[in-house]
Amino acid sequence: GNSVTQMEGPVTLSEEAFLTINCTYTATGYPSLFWYVQYPGEGLQLLLKATKADDKGSNKGFEATYRKETTSFHLEKGSVQVSDSAVYFCALTLYNQGGKLIFGQGTELSVKP
Amino acid sequence: DTAVSQTPKYLVTQMGNDKSIKCEQNLGHDTMYWYKQDSKKFLKIMFSYNNKELIINETVPNRFSPKSPDKAHLNLHINSLELGDSAVYFCASSSGGTDTQYFGPGTRLTVL
Repeated sequence: GNSVTQMEGPVTLSEEAFLTINCTYTATGYPSLFWYVQYPGEGLQLLLKATKADDKGSNKGFEATYRKETTSFHLEKGSVQVSDSAVYFCALTLYNQGGKLIFGQGTELSVKP
Repeated sequence: DTAVSQTPKYLVTQMGNDKSIKCEQNLGHDTMYWYKQDSKKFLKIMFSYNNKELIINETVPNRFSPKSPDKAHLNLHINSLELGDSAVYFCASSSGGTDTQYFGPGTRLTVL
């Protein structure tokens, strides 16, 4: 079946550290890939997306590259801030699945000053 | 202007009661969704509607009944609430297909 696996959290970093959150997927077809972010007490916001192999999504200093050969979509940021503390979700959707988003389990990030 | 709104934000109720959660979007989208987020933050789709027609029903107990009076609204009615229904319920909307989904702020349901 189709699934998304993310690295376990929580991840704790100091401000200005480099961030990587690993995400790999299994899909029967060619998915679109997303990173959503959930700040405490809020809903999910789209952070970035990529719709085909080798596409790079980027936003607010975050980036992720759609790697078909390794079925991965790892999230990176060069220098995290305290305000980046949130839960990050990797997700996929397939064109013939009615728009259903399949989420990874979420990775909690805590950035300390 | 709120793109996807849900009411109420918090809902505390007793087992066995019936409750509804309302969702509205002003983005002009054709497709709306309900997702459930459990206590471990895991998110799973429950339903989706396209132009008021049910597209996805992800093996949700039939105590849950979505209703879409028009394209801009998708409500969720839950009968005979159980302890295990306690979760955060998110509504979302999109233009359909693999397009970006926009989420509401969530409704935290607590069943006592």
